[in-house]
Amino acid sequence: DGGITQSPKYLFRKEGQNVTLSCEQNLNHDAMYWYRQDPGQGLRLIYYSQIVNDFQKGDIAEGYSVSREKKESFPLTVTSAQKNPTAFYLCASSTPSGGPNSPLHFGNGTRLTVT
Amino acid sequence: DAKTTQPTSMDCAEGRAANLPCNHSTISGNEYVYWYRQIHSQGPQYIIHGLKNNETNEMASLIITEDRKSSTLILPHATLRDTAVYYCIVRPILAQAGTALIFGKGTTLSVSS
Repeated sequence: DGGITQSPKYLFRKEGQNVTLSCEQNLNHDAMYWYRQDPGQGLRLIYYSQIVNDFQKGDIAEGYSVSREKKESFPLTVTSAQKNPTAFYLCASSTPSGGPNSPLHFGNGTRLTVT
Repeated sequence: DAKTTQPTSMDCAEGRAANLPCNHSTISGNEYVYWYRQIHSQGPQYIIHGLKNNETNEMASLIITEDRKSSTLILPHATLRDTAVYYCIVRPILAQAGTALIFGKGTTLSVSS
C-alpha cells in the first residue's frame, strides 16, 4: 500500500543534541511538508519542498533544517538552536499543484522529547 | 487564507448522526472547504472537500450553505472510532505547495456508547 512512513514513532534526546526525523513516501508525490503540533494546538508549517533539491521555509523554520535529495525522502533535522523542540512532528505529501484534488497525505508522526 | 471557526467540542451517541459545523464567513469565491480529522497520536486524515455543491463520499457528507459562509460535516452513523479532532480548512483552488493548509484547533468529537 502507498503511504508515508515516519520513524521512529518516539524519540528521546538530550538538550543540545541535533536529531534527524525520517520521512519516506511511496506515493510518487512531488511536494512534501513538515508540520509541528503542540498539545491542544493546530499544526504549524516548518518547511516544505515542491521538488527535489528545492525547499522553502514555513512559518516556524528557525532551529530546523531539511534536505530533499530524493523524491521519496524529506528528513527533518531539529538542531540545538531550536528553543522548544519537544513536540509531535508530522510529515505530509501531495501532488505538486496543490490543487483541490490533491489533499495532503500525512504520516503517523514522530513524538520528540528533549530533556 | 480565510479563517474558520469551529466549536471546541461536541458529543454524539454511537449510531446517531454527528453534525459538525464550521463558519468561514470571509471565504472567497476561489477557495475550497476541506475537512480532515486526527485521531489521537496519529496524522490527520483527509475526509472530504467541496466548493459550492454538497458532496458525499464513503466517509461523510459535506453541506455548504448557499452563501458559502458556513458548512456542516455529517457523519451519518457515528461509531466509537470516529472519536477524533475534526478540522475545517479553507484553501485557494490554485494553492501552491507553499500555501500549505492552515490548521486551527478544530472540534473534538467524542462518540459514546
